[in-house]
Order: sequence, then C-alpha cells, then structure tokens
Amino acid sequence: QVHLEESGGGVVQPGTSLRLSCAASGFAFSNYAMHWVRQAPGKRLEWVSIIFSDGTDKYYADSVTGRFTISRDNSRNRLFLQMNSLRAEDTAVYYCARDRVIINPGYYFDDWGLGTLVTVSS
Amino acid sequence: DIQMTQSPSTLSASVGDRLTITCRASESISNWVAWYQQKPGKAPKLLIYKASSLESGVPSRFSGSGSGTEFTLSISSLQPDDFATYYCQQYKSFSGFGQGTKVEIK
Repeated sequence: QVHLEESGGGVVQPGTSLRLSCAASGFAFSNYAMHWVRQAPGKRLEWVSIIFSDGTDKYYADSVTGRFTISRDNSRNRLFLQMNSLRAEDTAVYYCARDRVIINPGYYFDDWGLGTLVTVSS
Repeated sequence: DIQMTQSPSTLSASVGDRLTITCRASESISNWVAWYQQKPGKAPKLLIYKASSLESGVPSRFSGSGSGTEFTLSISSLQPDDFATYYCQQYKSFSGFGQGTKVEIK
C-alpha cells in the first residue's frame, strides 16, 4: 500500500528558509517521478515542482523558480523541497504526490500525502 | 501558461441527481486532462485521467469526456459520499488546475 508522509512545515518569517521532507513507502520509489503540489487556503491546487525518478531532471513552476529546490534520496525513499526566500504568498499546504506513470512522468498524480502546512508571516 | 476554467463554481444537487461539471482550456490540450475529488482537510483523489479513463477503484458512476479545449466530468447518480470539490487538471504543459467546483447538498 502506497504511503506518503510529509513533514517539516511550520510558521516562518518572510525571507527565511524551510526544508520539507516526504517519506515514501509501499512502492518502488526509485521508479517514479515525484511532485510537490501546494494549496493556499481556499485556493486552487498549484503544481510546484517535479523530479524525475533518477533525480536527473527537475522542473519548477514560475512562481518558485530560483527560490525552491527539489531533491530526492532513492536509497532512503525520501523526497525533499528546499524553500528559500519565502514570501507570504508561499503560505499553503504542501503535498507530495506520486506520478501516475512509472519511469517517464505523466504529470498527473495517483497518490498523495496528507500535506504539511507552511505559513509565512511576520 | 495554459489556463483551466471550470464551471460552475458551486453546484447544489440532491442524492440521485445526474450532474456535469465543465472545464475549458485556454488552448488545445488534446486529451491531457485529469479530474480529482477533494474533501475538506483531505488530499485530492484521482478519478479520471486522459480525459475519459477511469482510475482503478473509482466507481463507474463517474465518467469523463472531451478533447481539445472542452471537457466534462459527469456523475450519473450522485451518492452521499460524492459531496466534495472537484478539480480538473491539464498536463499537456507541466501541470495546471482549474479553480474547483464545489458540489453541495441542495
């Protein structure tokens, strides 16, 4: 059974950094691209970033390019999101999500964690 | 960026109703559309991918259709468990979501 569990959220001040983690279990983690998707309070879902299964390719939404870095550790079945220069508009629940398609990503998501809340406020 | 616009934003319905949610893309996206259901405080659940393919384990009362710029999600007979918010997603160019349609009890 696929299980994804995010951690690392919290309340931080604008301009500071935070690192999110996602622990994966129940599937061959190294075979799947993984994503971060966020949802600001009362807002639509927003795709943030993808990392391919072997970690070689990474892409970001324009809203976070240059500030966020996605990474993974396939030996530990973990996904990470390093968030720097945080802004109030980054306040959201951050979900890690598994790509539905094995190896080559389809950019849609069949399993999600419960999310971790990041609040950026002074 | 490809914009996804859903309608209606809110839909009031009763158990047993048939309902349809529409999603329009700002440019042609072939059939690269998925639909999700989200309940308050929960993660989204994949219902439909590639516009009309039913995800494993999803009840057959859910169906999707469309191609190009217009897509629909239909529920043939609304059940109590179906009251939720539904999102369309394009994945022709990275990923983008519609603003959601909340299905509430009439």
